[in-house]
Amino acid sequence: GNSVTQMEGPVTLSEEAFLTINCTYTATGYPSLFWYVQYPGEGLQLLLKATKADDKGSNKGFEATYRKETTSFHLEKGSVQVSDSAVYFCALMGISNTGKLIFGQGTTLQVKP
Amino acid sequence: GAGVSQSPSNKVTEKGKDVELRCDPISGHTALYWYRQSLGQGLEFLIYFQGNSAPDKSGLPSDRFSAERTGGSVSTLTIQRTQQEDSAVYLCASSYNRGVRETQYFGPGTRLLVL
Repeated sequence: GNSVTQMEGPVTLSEEAFLTINCTYTATGYPSLFWYVQYPGEGLQLLLKATKADDKGSNKGFEATYRKETTSFHLEKGSVQVSDSAVYFCALMGISNTGKLIFGQGTTLQVKP
Repeated sequence: GAGVSQSPSNKVTEKGKDVELRCDPISGHTALYWYRQSLGQGLEFLIYFQGNSAPDKSGLPSDRFSAERTGGSVSTLTIQRTQQEDSAVYLCASSYNRGVRETQYFGPGTRLLVL
């Protein structure tokens, strides 16, 4: 079945450091891929998405590129801020397109001043 | 406008009791999803509604779990004879329609603790 694997956390960085959170997936066909973020005390929010191979999703300085050849969707940001501290979830939506999301385990990011 | 709301925000119950969790989706959203977030299992899909119908119930962990949606709006997730392993945060999400082009908006969740 479909599944998502992302790097374990916590990831601790200093402000202005470069961020990469790895995400790989297993799925039939060409799923759509998402990154969701959960800030402390808040609900899950969509951060970015990509619906086909080689698409790049971007938002708030974060980027992720849909790589079919490596079945990956790694999240990157060039310069993190303290306010980026949150839990990040990689997710996929399968080709059945019902909207059901399959999530990774989540990666906690802590950014220190 | 108002987002997805869930009630109660916290629920503590004794093993063996029944609980009902409520979700109010964003007005006009036809698709509604329930997910569960727990330490051991991460974030997992439970059930999906399109209107009042549930085309995908594949994530419900046992027959103690059921859900309904009425009037194409409010949904209730019921857990009968709760067990300690049911302790988790139950999340509801809604979207205007189903599919990849529609953003799912999540509620704040109901934190359930079964003693």
